[in-house]
Amino acid sequence: EAAVTQSPRNKVAVTGGKVTLSCNQTNNHNNMYWYRQDTGHGLRLIHYSYGAGSTEKGDIPDGYKASRPSQENFSLILELATPSQTSVYFCASGAGTANTEVFFGKGTRLTVV
Amino acid sequence: AQSVTQPDARVTVSEGASLQLRCKYSSSGTPYLFWYVQYPRQGLQLLLKYYSGDPVVQGVNGFEAEFSKSNSSFHLRKASVHWSDSAVYFCVLSRNSGTYQRFGTGTKLQVVP
Repeated sequence: EAAVTQSPRNKVAVTGGKVTLSCNQTNNHNNMYWYRQDTGHGLRLIHYSYGAGSTEKGDIPDGYKASRPSQENFSLILELATPSQTSVYFCASGAGTANTEVFFGKGTRLTVV
Repeated sequence: AQSVTQPDARVTVSEGASLQLRCKYSSSGTPYLFWYVQYPRQGLQLLLKYYSGDPVVQGVNGFEAEFSKSNSSFHLRKASVHWSDSAVYFCVLSRNSGTYQRFGTGTKLQVVP
C-alpha cells in the first residue's frame, strides 16, 4: 500500500529557530509536495520536487526551503521560524501525471511561539 | 490561470438525507478534477476523479460527481449520507500540462442525527 510518513507529527518551535520537517515515501513516486493547511485557505503548495536533487517553488515559498536528497525523502526547512508559520503541514507524493492520485501523509502540526 | 472555488465553507445535513457539495473551476486548459476527503486528524484521501468521458463519475462509499463544462462545475453528490461522512471535502483541479494540483478551500460537512 502506498505510504507517506511524516515526522514529527507535532512540533513546538521558538521564533527565530530552525525547524526541519521530514517526509518519507515508499511509493517510488517521482513527485513530492509540501502543502500547508490553514482555515479558509485550503491547502497551499509551498515547494515540490520532480525527483532526487530537484526542488521547485510552489505558490507560497517565502520563508521555506526544501531538500530532496533521495527519491524517498523530501524535507521542508524553516531557517527562521515565525508565528505566521504556525500551521498544519502535509507532505504528498504522486506519480507525476496530472490525472493521477496524490498520496498524503497524516500531517505535522507546527506551532511557533 | 487555474482556480477552484468551493462556495460553502460548512454544510450540515441530516443522516439519511441527500448531499450536494458545490465546486466551480476556472482553467485555461483541459481540466482534471478530483474530490478528496479529509477525516479528522488524517491526511487526504481520493474520493473520485474525472478527466474525460462520462460526465458522471462514481467514487468510493457511494459518492459521485458530475462534470459540467458549460457551468464550469464539478459538484459532489451522495444519495444518503451517514454520520461517518462527516469530514472536510476538497475539490481539486489540475491540467494536462500542469505540474501540480490546486485545492479549493474545502467544505466541512457535518452529518447530524
